[in-house]
This record gives sequence, structure tokens and C-alpha cells, in this order.
Amino acid sequence: SQQGEEDPQALSIQEGENATMNCSYKTSINNLQWYRQNSGRGLVHLILIRSNEREKHSGRLRVTLDTSKKSSSLLITASRAADTASYFCATDATEGGSYIPTFGRGTSLIVHP
Amino acid sequence: SQTIHQWPATLVQPVGSPLSLECTVEGTSNPNLYWYRQAAGRGLQLLFYSVGIGQISSEVPQNLSASRPQDRQFILSSKKLLLSDSGFYLCAWRPGTGAWETQYFGPGTRLLVL
Repeated sequence: SQQGEEDPQALSIQEGENATMNCSYKTSINNLQWYRQNSGRGLVHLILIRSNEREKHSGRLRVTLDTSKKSSSLLITASRAADTASYFCATDATEGGSYIPTFGRGTSLIVHP
Repeated sequence: SQTIHQWPATLVQPVGSPLSLECTVEGTSNPNLYWYRQAAGRGLQLLFYSVGIGQISSEVPQNLSASRPQDRQFILSSKKLLLSDSGFYLCAWRPGTGAWETQYFGPGTRLLVL
């Protein structure tokens, strides 16, 4: 079952604008991670935010986590055409002592030059 | 540094034929290993995960199976492929040490069943 659900499913912006993607989840988590996937490629880890953290920055990326609302957002500032990709959030569930990441369906971001 | 390999990169197979996709990880020991399938334009569906040699957990019942014959080798198999098995298959690993760890993905195998 899908734990994380990204919103919107698709986002189209102009270069230089900010892009905001949201992720909602259903159960308690250990951490939440954001990944990026270029078309036809594997996923690349962007940022991990722990359940006791509220905000984290990495370069042009800013991630927030609101555990009371079970939601997270990924903000890409001053977007570039090279940011065009699909972005996924993943949450960690614990199953029998193993950590099982569950991914949403992703947000497809297109940045027009 | 750690690297993850998947092969083949692309595969076209007829319905009813067998399948074997291989994933290997270098530069780490006792990783947790995962197989995902991604349909076109969709999210990732976890198929199997493994926390050690010979230990396989299945998330979705289907005609696929997985094996882990060595610590850093994870194999996805099928005896008879279905049309619905077409998709993009991703292998991933993560350190098996705790909750706050990142997953690292391979380049993927694109499978087309005709």
C-alpha cells in the first residue's frame, strides 16, 4: 500500500521560479526521505529528515516535516531546467525489526528554460 | 566507496519465458537489499527485501521470486513471464544498522514482455 502520497502529481514552472511539492503519509515514521529520479534512471537520494526534526536545508533544497499533520514539503528554490525530474518521498515503517521504505507515486516536475 | 550494479540494463522477453535479473553491491557488508518495480509514470512497488543471506521477504504475491545466494548478491527470477511483468526494475541497498539510513539505488533494468 502507498504510505507517502505526493502532491501535485505534475508541476510545470519556468526557470528561476520556486517549486514546492508535498507529501502526506498515514502512519508513524522514523524518518522521511526525498528522492529524485531522472527519466529512465535509478533514484538518487536528496535529503533525509528525522521524525524529531522540523526543517532541513541542503543547497537549494528545503524540506519541512510536520508530524502532527503527517506531511512534508520539498521546496526547490531558483529552479533550473536541470531540476526536471520526478521527485518521490519515502517513509520508513518498521516490520519485524526491518526497516521498510515505502514510496509515493511521485511528483513530475518540468522546469522550462 | 559503495557501488551497486544491475544487469542487464534492458531486456525484451517473450511471454512464458524465464527471467533472471541480478543485482550486486560492492564496498559494504551485510546490507539490506530490495527489489522494486516501477510501472510507467508510477511510483515504486516494493517486491522483495532481504536482511541477510537466504532471508527473503515478499511484499506482493506474484509469479516472481527472489534469492540472495551471497551477502551482496540479490537475484530476481521468474519461471514464466507475464505481460504484466513489464516494467522498470530497481534494486536498492541500505546499511542494515538502523532506521536513519539512506537507500541507494541501482541504474535499473527495463523489462519488456511481449
